[in-house]
Amino acid sequence: DAGVIQSPRHEVTEMGQEVTLRCKPISGHDYLFWYRQTMMRGLELLIYFNNNVPIDDSGMPEDRFSAKMPNASFSTLKIQPSEPRDSAVYFCASSLASTGAKAFFGQGTRLTVV
Amino acid sequence: AQKITQTQPGMFVQEKEAVTLDCTYDTSDPSYGLFWYKQPSSGEMIFLIYQGSYDQQNATEGRYSLNFQKARKSANLVISASQLGDSAMYFCAMRDLNTGNQFYFGTGTSLTVIP
Repeated sequence: DAGVIQSPRHEVTEMGQEVTLRCKPISGHDYLFWYRQTMMRGLELLIYFNNNVPIDDSGMPEDRFSAKMPNASFSTLKIQPSEPRDSAVYFCASSLASTGAKAFFGQGTRLTVV
Repeated sequence: AQKITQTQPGMFVQEKEAVTLDCTYDTSDPSYGLFWYKQPSSGEMIFLIYQGSYDQQNATEGRYSLNFQKARKSANLVISASQLGDSAMYFCAMRDLNTGNQFYFGTGTSLTVIP
């Protein structure tokens, strides 16, 4: 398996534009997690899915953020409209269901909103 | 309350020496998993080592070992014979079923290996 695949790797956009980040989890994994990493706030869990169903989205900062998982092999994180404070690295991770199962991380998307 | 606490924002170690990175956790679930990840300056998150709550022995993976003290709720990472390539951020994480089977990450420790 190729691992967790995120796209794009880098995104530069203007304030007010819509941004869509994409993630393909490892085949067979039950859980998918979206994280945001900044120097100020560290690694924050935004939302996670179990079997394509959102379980906890309490980490989503505002209504401008939304996430979907239409099927087991694809998830999106959308920011509309984007703001400079959204600039961060966004990670997607997937795992099996066991508490002993590790999270496999994608390479991350570095988002810059100017 | 924080589920995972890493109290060392930054650590320095001499090359070839051993170093311990601290991690304490909080859970009431008897079944949980503890993980350590490394994040070099290139940004990827690299899994290092895992310890299960029911494991009797401390986990080891090459130069990495986990000093698991269940009663104290600590899961410290020990890196032996430090190498320059060990310079990175290190994150401790926990997963339990009580809180929805998500991963809780600490704030990380930045390790610098000095030649």
